[in-house]
Amino acid sequence: DAGVIQSPRHEVTEMGQEVTLRCKPISGHNSLFWYRQTMMRGLELLIYFNNNVPIDDSGMPEDRFSAKMPNASFSTLKIQPSEPRDSAVYFCASSPGDRGRNEKLFFGSGTQLSVL
Amino acid sequence: AQSVTQPDIHITVSEGASLELRCNYSYGATPYLFWYVQSPGQGLQLLLKYFSGDTLVQGIKGFEAEFKRSQSSFNLRKPSVHWSDAAEYFCAVGPGGYQKVTFGTGTKLQVIP
Repeated sequence: DAGVIQSPRHEVTEMGQEVTLRCKPISGHNSLFWYRQTMMRGLELLIYFNNNVPIDDSGMPEDRFSAKMPNASFSTLKIQPSEPRDSAVYFCASSPGDRGRNEKLFFGSGTQLSVL
Repeated sequence: AQSVTQPDIHITVSEGASLELRCNYSYGATPYLFWYVQSPGQGLQLLLKYFSGDTLVQGIKGFEAEFKRSQSSFNLRKPSVHWSDAAEYFCAVGPGGYQKVTFGTGTKLQVIP
């Protein structure tokens, strides 16, 4: 299996521009998670989906952030408009999603976002 | 609310020396506990996890961790560190299933020859 695939690996944009981050989870995984990692705040959960349905988006910082999962093999995280404080590494992770003992997250390599 | 504290931001050890990374958690019930490792430019990889049973958990790459309920700790250990172990290590706690997992702020490990 190719693992969790994120694109792009690096994104540099100007303040005010729209940014779209993409994620392809591992085939057969039921849960998908978006995390943001910064030096100041560490690893934060933004939102997660189960069976393509958003379960908890309480970690989404502002209305400028939105996430979708139109099907089991694709998710996007969009920031519109972007701001310099959004600069971070954004990780997508997927999990088999079985309740109980099978809690294991598989992470993608991340998207390094720089908003100038 | 659940939380995780990793008191050491940065640790340096000599290759071949033993290693212990500290993790303290706060959770109202029996937690699910995890250790993840992140190599530079990569995502996190699960080293080991604890749900129940034996409090000493074996993981990949020769790592182990011990759950101590009385101390609310889940420290990660390795008897002999290799240069390739240099990375950042994250402890995490969660209620299980697909619910929120809370990560610590990480401990960066440097290995010197």
